[in-house]
Amino acid sequence: NAGVTQTPKFQVLKTGQSMTLQCAQDMNHEYMSWYRQDPGMGLRLIHYSVGAGITDQGEVPNGYNVSRSTTEDFPLRLLSAAPSQTSVYFCASSKGSGEAFFGQGTRLTVV
Amino acid sequence: AQSVTQLDSQVPVFEEAPVELRCNYSSSVSVYLFWYVQYPNQGLQLLLKYLSGSTLVKGINGFEAEFNKSQTSFHLRKPSVHISDTAEYFCAVRTHTGFQKLVFGTGTRLLVSP
Repeated sequence: NAGVTQTPKFQVLKTGQSMTLQCAQDMNHEYMSWYRQDPGMGLRLIHYSVGAGITDQGEVPNGYNVSRSTTEDFPLRLLSAAPSQTSVYFCASSKGSGEAFFGQGTRLTVV
Repeated sequence: AQSVTQLDSQVPVFEEAPVELRCNYSSSVSVYLFWYVQYPNQGLQLLLKYLSGSTLVKGINGFEAEFNKSQTSFHLRKPSVHISDTAEYFCAVRTHTGFQKLVFGTGTRLLVSP
């Protein structure tokens, strides 16, 4: 099993550019979420989904959009990148009361 | 709302010494508790979890944690650390109902030296 797969692993963007971070899981998990990790702040929830077609905002949603058209995929879109969005992004999936499984992360730098 | 406090941002320790990483949480409802480990340039991997039952939970790589409801703590322990345990450790909580989002602490970097 691949688990949770994130692409790309690294990305450099210029301020104002847009891009999509991809996340796919092959475990048939109903819940998927995006976190950002910044030094000294742990992981903070950006957006999450409880099933196909259902998404909601987390703790730090501004500047990001998500959609969930299938159970497997949960892409995160940066509409107009800003230096404050330089971070490491993690996608996670879980089912019921089970543990969350994390992808390997995307390290994004906005210059 | 839930919150997690990891007071120690960094814990240096010598190889083969015991270690305790502290975690305290706040919640008005019952929660599940987790410890995750992150090795350099890697994602997060589950070390152990407390869902119910025995308050002493054993995880992978010789780690264990004890849930203390009265002190709202879930400290992580290992009796003898190895160089390979050098990593960042995150404590997290999750509610029992709804989306069950994870709320993380700020992390503790464990530095094991020879």
